[in-house]
Amino acid sequence: EADIYQTPRYLVIGTGKKITLECSQTMGHDKMYWYQQDPGMELHLIHYSYGVNSTEKGDLSSESTVSRIRTEHFPLTLESARPSHTSQYLCASSDVDLNYEQYFGPGTRLTVT
Amino acid sequence: GENVEQHPSTLSVQEGDSAVIKCTYSDSASNYFPWYKQELGKRPQLIIDIRSNVGEKKDQRIAVTLNKTAKHFSLHITETQPEDSAVYFCAAIDGTRGGSQGNLIFGKGTKLSVKP
Repeated sequence: EADIYQTPRYLVIGTGKKITLECSQTMGHDKMYWYQQDPGMELHLIHYSYGVNSTEKGDLSSESTVSRIRTEHFPLTLESARPSHTSQYLCASSDVDLNYEQYFGPGTRLTVT
Repeated sequence: GENVEQHPSTLSVQEGDSAVIKCTYSDSASNYFPWYKQELGKRPQLIIDIRSNVGEKKDQRIAVTLNKTAKHFSLHITETQPEDSAVYFCAAIDGTRGGSQGNLIFGKGTKLSVKP
């Protein structure tokens, strides 16, 4: 079944560690996004990509980086985690050639101690 | 660029009553307006959307209306049920030419509570 997947679903990590949040989709979509969201609160766009080798920064300044080497994968990396990075991270994808609907992954809840 | 305002931030209704959430947008070039529902601990999911060539769209108990002149759109839920309790986000497509074109600009969300 076509879907968008995120791993891990929950992560507790110490300050200063490097982490990578994985996102993959089997929807065949070109455009992918990363949002940061405190539970039930506003969605903040932090990165997006139009396709392979394309990455753009979103509206919210973030210390994270992203890469898009394959259409299906859009990992997000934090080089040195801090308590201020504690949040939920949602990955999404869309096929802008057909419509603008964004499909969201289940999210990764990150806690930095 | 686009800016979306959403009101109210919280809404509490009695089961069976109607609920209305309103959003305004700033970019007259926007032509797509979706509504997402996010239940506690779940991912946001599209529940209804409307494009600028229509003024109203209905799907069972939910409807969306669009007023392009006034640049506002609203979500209407009739005969509310406890399972309608969630956070609802409106959004508008960013019609700005350039890098952000095609991104969704989300409102800040409305927490709807339906009391049995």
